[in-house]
Amino acid sequence: KAGVTQTPRYLIKTRGQQVTLSCSPISGHRSVSWYQQTPGQGLQFLFEYFSETQRNKGNFPGRFSGRQFSNSRSEMNVSTLELGDSALYLCASSLGPLRSYGNQPQHFGDGTRLSIL
Amino acid sequence: AQKITQTQPGMFVQEKEAVTLDCTYDTSDPSYGLFWYKQPSSGEMIFLIYQGSYDQQNATEGRYSLNFQKARKSANLVISASQLGDSAMYFCAMREGPNTGNQFYFGTGTSLTVIP
Repeated sequence: KAGVTQTPRYLIKTRGQQVTLSCSPISGHRSVSWYQQTPGQGLQFLFEYFSETQRNKGNFPGRFSGRQFSNSRSEMNVSTLELGDSALYLCASSLGPLRSYGNQPQHFGDGTRLSIL
Repeated sequence: AQKITQTQPGMFVQEKEAVTLDCTYDTSDPSYGLFWYKQPSSGEMIFLIYQGSYDQQNATEGRYSLNFQKARKSANLVISASQLGDSAMYFCAMREGPNTGNQFYFGTGTSLTVIP
């Protein structure tokens, strides 16, 4: 069974540009969550999508947005990039939405490392 | 208040010895799940073990066990018979239940180094 696939693996952008990151979940998984990982802030939850709907959102500005397609693939978009957006962006998938009770581990992709110049 | 607290930024353990990584959590939701993940230097996050708030017994998965002390709100990870490949960052995480937002929270991590 293929794991969570994130593309691209590495990305270099300049301030003010926008970027779109892609995530393909494990087959059969319908929940996709996005995280930002930086040395200073650690892992921070961005948002979760389930059945093409945003279910939860972390404390990030509106420049961060996402969507999910009918095949559960998800994209994350960051507009008007700032230097502080440099980070490892991790996508994670699980069978059901985060609110489900029970053993629902999230399976993570290898991440997209975004560098802003 | 921090939702997940990992007080050990770095730990060293001798190969074949056991090591305990500390984790405390904070939630008012009676329904929650606790997770441990391993992140090697390559960057991927690997799920290790899960403990539900209503589980009566401590979770075990091979060499990993979770020392769950609900009254103390602690969920320490115990790795037995450490191996060189266990050197990595370890993150404790919590998924809250429907009463408190259903989000996933991660600790700041503990860097474990296994010494030959």
